[in-house]
Amino acid sequence: EAQVTQNPRYLITVTGKKLTVTCSQNMNHEYMSWYRQDPGLGLRQIYYSMNVEVTDKGDVPEGYKVSRKEKRNFPLILESPSPNQTSLYFCASSREKSVPYEQYFGPGTRLTVT
Amino acid sequence: GEDVEQSLFLSVREGDSSVINCTYTDSSSTYLYWYKQEPGAGLQLLTYIFSNMDMKQDQRLTVLLNKKDKHLSLRIADTQTGDSAIYFCAEIQTGANNLFFGTGTRLTVIP
Repeated sequence: EAQVTQNPRYLITVTGKKLTVTCSQNMNHEYMSWYRQDPGLGLRQIYYSMNVEVTDKGDVPEGYKVSRKEKRNFPLILESPSPNQTSLYFCASSREKSVPYEQYFGPGTRLTVT
Repeated sequence: GEDVEQSLFLSVREGDSSVINCTYTDSSSTYLYWYKQEPGAGLQLLTYIFSNMDMKQDQRLTVLLNKKDKHLSLRIADTQTGDSAIYFCAEIQTGANNLFFGTGTRLTVIP
């Protein structure tokens, strides 16, 4: 089954404790992206990657890191989480240069930072 | 990012039509999308329209695009309780692969 998976689905952590949210897709997609969803703000892009070893900042990259060492995985790293990073996070992938650039979303990771 | 705006809430009775509206500011948008987010799930593409089209119909869904006013709407005919969800409009620009999302409209269908 074609899908985007994220782990963990739920995470409660404390300020300053490094964490990683994993994202994996099995569709051989070139493009992957991370979003955060906050009430009243919709989805905002954190980082995206057009291909292996190519990553770029989105609209709200501060406090986050990503890596793209292989095509299928795109982990999101919070080196020192803070309470304002409490949010619902989505990973997405799409086949670059394939109109209409349909993005496939993972199920989401709900992060709470206390 | 670009400015894509939606009203936050909409309630309709089962069987009525729902119309969800979206305005955007970037005239270079090439594709405009409607995504649906059901409770506890990720977003799923519902439909999309290319910017040189005025209308697209897909079963119960009708998308209308007014490019002059930068206004996009999604009409759901015969709305069912299973249509209750958050609906996001999104746009993409020429040469980009980044979607800009609206704030989302929470549709509640009253039985």
